[in-house]
Amino acid sequence: NAGVTQTPKFQVLKTGQSMTLQCAQDMNHEYMSWYRQDPGMGLRLIHYSVGAGITDQGEVPNGYNVSRSTTEDFPLRLLSAAPSQTSVYFCASSSDFRGNEQFFGPGTRLTVL
Amino acid sequence: GIQVEQSPPDLILQEGANSTLRCNFSDSVNNLQWFHQNPWGQLINLFYIPSGTKQNGRLSATTVATERYSLLYISSSQTTDSGVYFCAVYDRGSTLGRLYFGRGTQLTVWP
Repeated sequence: NAGVTQTPKFQVLKTGQSMTLQCAQDMNHEYMSWYRQDPGMGLRLIHYSVGAGITDQGEVPNGYNVSRSTTEDFPLRLLSAAPSQTSVYFCASSSDFRGNEQFFGPGTRLTVL
Repeated sequence: GIQVEQSPPDLILQEGANSTLRCNFSDSVNNLQWFHQNPWGQLINLFYIPSGTKQNGRLSATTVATERYSLLYISSSQTTDSGVYFCAVYDRGSTLGRLYFGRGTQLTVWP
């Protein structure tokens, strides 16, 4: 099993550009989520999904969009990048949202100029 | 949300030394995980330990859920143990499925 994979590993954007961060898992997990990690702020939840076709907002959803058309994939879209979105983004998955072990992808380091 | 506090914030050791990292949390949880974030930024699962004690090689962890704390023990530390150790808990009352992370313990192991 590859586990949770993310692409790209690194990305530089200009303010106002849009892009999609890809996340996929091969563990047949129902629950997937996106976090961002910032110095001094820890990891904060952006969006999450409890299954295909179901998504909801987390703690810091503004400026991001998600969809979940399949169990395996959970892309994160930046609609119009801003310098405040410079961060490291992690995708995670778990068998469900009730507290089972969560597994994280390798992360995407995003810089917005 | 749940407050998660980790101590110490920084720890510097010489290779071969033992250490104990602590995680306190403010409310009832039904999931606690320890992660190691290596120098390349990857979050590596160490333990999924809502309660009790587990061991994996030189590492072991104990969670006392009733007293709201968990301990991570590292014995005979090696330079490859360097990085940030995070404790994360899942709020029993949450419907978001999110983990609440502590700020981490930065561990540096010198040869």
